[in-house]
Amino acid sequence: AQSVTQLDSHVSVSEGTPVLLRCNYSSSYSPSLFWYVQHPNKGLQLLLKYTSAATLVKGINGFEAEFKKSETSFHLTKPSAHMSDAAEYFCVVSDKGNAGNMLTFGGGTRLMVKP
Amino acid sequence: DGGITQSPKYLFRKEGQNVTLSCEQNLNHDAMYWYRQDPGQGLRLIYYSQIVNDFQKGDIAEGYSVSREKKESFPLTVTSAQKNPTAFYLCASSPEGLGNTEAFFGQGTRLTVV
Repeated sequence: AQSVTQLDSHVSVSEGTPVLLRCNYSSSYSPSLFWYVQHPNKGLQLLLKYTSAATLVKGINGFEAEFKKSETSFHLTKPSAHMSDAAEYFCVVSDKGNAGNMLTFGGGTRLMVKP
Repeated sequence: DGGITQSPKYLFRKEGQNVTLSCEQNLNHDAMYWYRQDPGQGLRLIYYSQIVNDFQKGDIAEGYSVSREKKESFPLTVTSAQKNPTAFYLCASSPEGLGNTEAFFGQGTRLTVV
């Protein structure tokens, strides 16, 4: 079985300061990992994905994440927050070893950006 | 433009009524999914379909039904058996049903029971 834990339900940062959204996962096999962003009353947009290539993954809007197998983590970072980054962020795991597997979502982290 | 279209954006249902949420994709994806999102929570899988004329229950299928008669379409019916249907519903699709690739999401339908 696979699971995803987003360690913070809310994160608040000031505009221009770094962003760190934490995600830990458990998986029986070699996982694929994703970060999605959701703005209010909207669908989910893919930020970035890890699929067993480079462990440091760069995504859209200046976000990046590092896959650390030893720590079973996939934390999302951005050097400098922008007001438009305020949204809900979801860490998602997909287990390649399980035929018919679906994506498993974390509970989400709401990012607030203060001016 | 390729994408996933959900309609309507807002839907109101009276107690005891069935309602159907539409989901159409022109991405030529084999797999389609329905998720339910409640305030402050992650997404929970209702139903999924990996191929036309086949679908499987997800984690919270009770009170819902689906059909997959065409590759492009995966409508969700919320039946009167669903006791707490007020939620945000998201449809998604992916090129493969094994979950190795990312899912592409529609803009969602907000269902409210009145």
